[in-house]
Amino acid sequence: QSALTQPPSASGSPGQSVTISCTGSSSDVGANNYVSWYQQYPGKAPKLVIYEVTKRPSGVPDRFSGSKSGNTASLTVSGLQAEDEADYYCATYGGRTVFGGGTKLTVL
Amino acid sequence: EVQLVESGGGLVQPGGSLRLSCVDSGFTFHNNWMAWVRQAPGKGLEWVANINPDGSAKNHVDSVRGRFTISRDNAKNSLFLQMNSLRVEDTAIYYCAPDRGYNRFDPWGQGTLVTVSS
Repeated sequence: QSALTQPPSASGSPGQSVTISCTGSSSDVGANNYVSWYQQYPGKAPKLVIYEVTKRPSGVPDRFSGSKSGNTASLTVSGLQAEDEADYYCATYGGRTVFGGGTKLTVL
Repeated sequence: EVQLVESGGGLVQPGGSLRLSCVDSGFTFHNNWMAWVRQAPGKGLEWVANINPDGSAKNHVDSVRGRFTISRDNAKNSLFLQMNSLRVEDTAIYYCAPDRGYNRFDPWGQGTLVTVSS
């Protein structure tokens, strides 16, 4: 089972919105509503920011939102802040957990 | 609050073995599925294995099946990963996390580094 496809990089200025895509297939992303997103700072462990496509864990700012259309899921970070600069990984379930390759978000 | 601490990583030669441990300081370890996820240097995340609350059901990714075994000791709030026949490509940081279902791993431990090299 191949990894999900994410753009290697994304960027935006403070206050702007940035959307990161995650493309899979009809057997994983398109098959269910179990897409998650993880934020990872350099040298740190990943942190869950979105699960089941749109849900935010307690403590995650509402600037983070998720969506899905067909075989592509998206993470949108609104009102971009310097602290949002990190790597972001999507994950989905198609018999087993599959992660995307990761997107480095840069705040300009 | 769940706090996870991994240990057991280190430098090992190809073909060697290591046993990773993960201790959960919270109170709900015995109720949770648990998972190991790894990250090769400079690379993305890869799910490795998971185990159900009583240890009777285990799943491993194809690339480690037959070489790695996940297990747990609920009396000690501990999760393990026995890694045998290690390969250079197993070099990674190994993280443990509660597997709350369908890719919901939360929270994560700080990770332990495994380096397979001659």
